[in-house]
Amino acid sequence: QTVVTQEPSFSVSPGGTVTLTCGLSSGSVSTSYYPSWYQQTPGQAPRTLIYSTSTRSSGVPDRFSGSILGNKAALTITGAQADDESDYYCVLYMGSGIWVFGGGTKLTVL
Amino acid sequence: EVQLVESGGGLIQPGGSLRLSCAASGFTVSSNYMSWVRQAPGKGLEWVSVLYSGGITYYADSVKGRFTISRDNSKNTLYLQMNSLRAEDTAVYYCARGGAAQGFDPWGQGTLVTVSS
Repeated sequence: QTVVTQEPSFSVSPGGTVTLTCGLSSGSVSTSYYPSWYQQTPGQAPRTLIYSTSTRSSGVPDRFSGSILGNKAALTITGAQADDESDYYCVLYMGSGIWVFGGGTKLTVL
Repeated sequence: EVQLVESGGGLIQPGGSLRLSCAASGFTVSSNYMSWVRQAPGKGLEWVSVLYSGGITYYADSVKGRFTISRDNSKNTLYLQMNSLRAEDTAVYYCARGGAAQGFDPWGQGTLVTVSS
């Protein structure tokens, strides 16, 4: 079974830029996988950031952007702020109605 | 306001059954793709199931044959019938609109299911 891969953890300085990635254990991610990204803080439901690779969800600041970088989907956060410290999840469409989440990236802002 | 509210979670013994509900407001469940996603304690998100507007359903391999997703159009509510529950089904269960190109949005607040003797 194909596994969706994410960096387990990442660190960024306040005001800095960070790119989180979402890949496949086998193969390349393309727009056909309809990658989307979610932010989650402890005890809260996920919040949608990006869908269909690069479309920002309503109310999401333009500091958050999505793209395909090489063979992976990517979430870039520019001008990182303290309240960006969260878990970030991507999900990919595998076809036949099936979606698979990545294991998540714990982002630290320090 | 678009909103989803889950209910029905609780403590259940292994092998038991439970039905989760997800009441929607601000939009029509039957006109949208609707999904269930779960999160085991301290773990990541896991997609569980989707119900298309046309009635087609899909399930993760981990729940196929044990869980059934359905909806009641008159109540604008999504359900997840969970049978033959196992300890590894212990999780917060979220419902979300979506399961298509537009991703999953919004999400409910989640309901905790604990499978333990």
